[in-house]
Formats: sequence, C-alpha cells, structure tokens
Amino acid sequence: DVVLTQTPPTLSATIGQSVSISCRSSQSLLDSDGDTYLNWLLQRPGQSPQLLIYSVSNLESGVPNRFSGSGSETDFTLKISGVEAEDLGVYYCMQATHAPWTFGGGTKLELK
Amino acid sequence: EVQLQESGPGLVKPSQSLSLTCSVTGYSITSNYWGWIRKFPGNKMEWMGYISYSGSTSYNPSLKSRISITRDTSKNQFFLQLNSVTTEDTATYYCARVRRVWGWYFDFWGPGTMVTVSS
Repeated sequence: DVVLTQTPPTLSATIGQSVSISCRSSQSLLDSDGDTYLNWLLQRPGQSPQLLIYSVSNLESGVPNRFSGSGSETDFTLKISGVEAEDLGVYYCMQATHAPWTFGGGTKLELK
Repeated sequence: EVQLQESGPGLVKPSQSLSLTCSVTGYSITSNYWGWIRKFPGNKMEWMGYISYSGSTSYNPSLKSRISITRDTSKNQFFLQLNSVTTEDTATYYCARVRRVWGWYFDFWGPGTMVTVSS
C-alpha cells in the first residue's frame, strides 16, 4: 500500500500566520493517465471531513482561496496563507492513484 | 444539496457482523460512486471500499472477505456489512460520495456514526 507521511504532526499558529503542511508519498502518485490524485481534507472538531483541494491543486467549490496545494510525484504541500480561527482541526492528505486508497496520518493545526 | 446520513447499531459484539446504512438525499446513487471510510481512535483514517453507479464494488484488500457493500436504489441507500468484527473495528464510520471529475475524491460526507465492538 502507498504510505503517506505528513509533517509536522502538530502545527501551532497565530491568526494571520501562513503555514504549510507536507505530504510525502512512498510511491509516485502520477497516474498512467497523466493525472495525480492527491487530495487534501480538513476535519474540524466534531465534524466530518471536508474536501479542500483535489488533484494536487484544484480548490474545491466554496473553499477560501487562502488554501492552496502544490507538488508532484511524491512530494506535496498544502499552504494556508493567513490562518483564520475556523481553520483549526486535523488536515489529511489522501491518495486515489493506487489501490487501496490511503490517507496520511494527519496534521493537527492548533492556535498558539 | 447532496446529504448523506449513516445509521446502525452503536455497539456490536466481537465475532458478530456490523451493518450500517447510508441514506442519500439530493442525488441519485445510480450516478457517481459511493464509499465507506472509517476513522479509528486517534487520527488514522482507512478507506474501506465503494460501490459504483452500476453496482460494481471495490474493497480494501486489508478487509479481505469480511466486507460487503450493497445498495437499494429504490430507497437511495447503500449499505456496509463487516463480518467477524473484533475490538480493532471500533471506529467512527463515514459514508461519502466519490466524485469522478478531474480526479477521484470524497466531496460530500455523512456526519459519521461511532461503532464500538465490545462484549
């Protein structure tokens, strides 16, 4: 199975600070069709996960543009440009290039 | 808007079967793919499987022959059955829609249902 390693496991930020989360894959996530199926989700406390970014860098409808995704092959990054209070929770990367689909271990974003 | 809601028993005894229902409103399950995901105590998430718009299925091999996902299109529901459960199957179970546009991803999720496996 593809292992996704997220760093850091915990991130402390102040409101307005820009932060980045890394997701490193044990295999290239470039599919034979030329696409890369790496997604980012946020699970706020007490809520179900919410899709933020799909296929590396595509912002899901309704998601603020302070969120952005980048990367290729095995290294991916989620950036939040100016953390807001509503951004707190656990962030997951998830790959759907290789079966079985797998998730990273999560990064918890806390207020400093 | 698409809405999903999981339902089923919150407590299951070891060696028995876990059965959950996902009721979908606002969208037909005869379109797209529909999946089950679980989150274990702590942060670990696991994709369990999905059922397609045509009724075909794909499962996580880690669940081997214990898992079955079926559907009732007349009720717009799909189901999860997990056999021979152990305490390691204690988790919050989510159903979600899989969107297949410019990728594969879960775009709508149910609120989740917590299942405890205990005697």
